[in-house]
Amino acid sequence: AQSVTQPDIHITVSEGASLELRCNYSYGATPYLFWYVQSPGQGLQLLLKYFSGDTLVQGIKGFEAEFKRSQSSFNLRKPSVHWSDAAEYFCAVVIYNQGGKLIFGQGTELSVKP
Amino acid sequence: DVKVTQSSRYLVKRTGEKVFLECVQDMDHENMFWYRQDPGLGLRLIYFSYDVKMKEKGDIPEGYSVSREKKERFSLILESASTNQTSMYLCVVTDRGVNTEAFFGQGTRLTVV
Repeated sequence: AQSVTQPDIHITVSEGASLELRCNYSYGATPYLFWYVQSPGQGLQLLLKYFSGDTLVQGIKGFEAEFKRSQSSFNLRKPSVHWSDAAEYFCAVVIYNQGGKLIFGQGTELSVKP
Repeated sequence: DVKVTQSSRYLVKRTGEKVFLECVQDMDHENMFWYRQDPGLGLRLIYFSYDVKMKEKGDIPEGYSVSREKKERFSLILESASTNQTSMYLCVVTDRGVNTEAFFGQGTRLTVV
């Protein structure tokens, strides 16, 4: 069955440090991948998406993600974290041969310490 | 942008009640989804629909049913509400195109007492 796994439930980083959030997917064909962010009490906002082409994609707020087919991964990165980045991050995949079924990972909660 | 409207922001229902959650979109998008969001579990897919009168079970359909009689409206039904269905329910809409993103309703916080 198709699935999305975010191995880290909670991560804490210092402000100014680099960040990498992991995402692994299980899907046989070319995946369509997304990262969303949810700030406390807010809805989900799209950070970036990958459909094809360049495997390194740039998103909003200084985030980027790299698609690695050999590792079935789509990890999210940011070179320098700001306190306002504290939020929950969700990786998602669209399964187009199942009518566009959209599957989310469990989420990673990011805390930023001063 | 697509506007996705859920009928209620907060609901409190009693155990055993039949509960209806409504979701309406203002664009002509094919796909509509119902998820529940619980801490540490992310967004779990309950049901989705890719066309009128079409429905597919997600990962946790037990205790739920859905209805899509019109393209713009997708209803989630809790046949007999139980306390373990206390959760945040999110309606999500996507287009069928390749270059698509998801549009989210504001969520319904359901408490079953």
